[in-house]
Amino acid sequence: NAGVTQTPKFQVLKTGQSMTLQCAQDMNHEYMSWYRQDPGMGLRLIHYSVGAGITDQGEVPNGYNVSRSTTEDFPLRLLSAAPSQTSVYFCASSSTRQGGGGYTFGSGTRLTVV
Amino acid sequence: TQLLEQSPQFLSIQEGENLTVYCNSSSVFSSLQWYRQEPGEGPVLLVTVVTGGEVKKLKRLTFQFGDARKDSSLHITAAQPGDTGLYLCRTGANNLFFGTGTRLTVIP
Repeated sequence: NAGVTQTPKFQVLKTGQSMTLQCAQDMNHEYMSWYRQDPGMGLRLIHYSVGAGITDQGEVPNGYNVSRSTTEDFPLRLLSAAPSQTSVYFCASSSTRQGGGGYTFGSGTRLTVV
Repeated sequence: TQLLEQSPQFLSIQEGENLTVYCNSSSVFSSLQWYRQEPGEGPVLLVTVVTGGEVKKLKRLTFQFGDARKDSSLHITAAQPGDTGLYLCRTGANNLFFGTGTRLTVIP
């Protein structure tokens, strides 16, 4: 089925470890983004990309890196995990940044940092 | 900075009741979207409203965009357990923010 695929679905990390959250879409969307969702805080934008080779910071970028080498893939890297990064992470894509046709979200990665 | 305020934050109602949730801001938006997020899943787009005063209906859900394009409401008629979820509003254009959401529980 067409859409946004995120892996893994669950992950437990120790403080200081690094990891990459994977995101892939097969809709040929130019715009891709990463959000984190925390209780009472809603969805907060971490990083986004408007096309291959182009990335930019969102509202809460510290501690995270991204790259966009292909249209399909937009991985999110945690450089040195901290307990404050315990959250649910969502990848979303759209044909444009404005998302007039709506954003398509993956099913999320639940990350716990201990 | 949170530009979108959603209310109420939590709502628990019996099956068959009607309800309205709100999305408000002091800013004018070119468009606004509503999403529903079910437990363990990502948000799914319900509707986009772009014109002040616009009303859109999706089965038992009625969406309205305020005349001044600063607020929106979602009304659900005869709520069903399948309506349970987190309802999020999102701005369009240059102010790309999500509200904090209304968590709705419909009790059978």
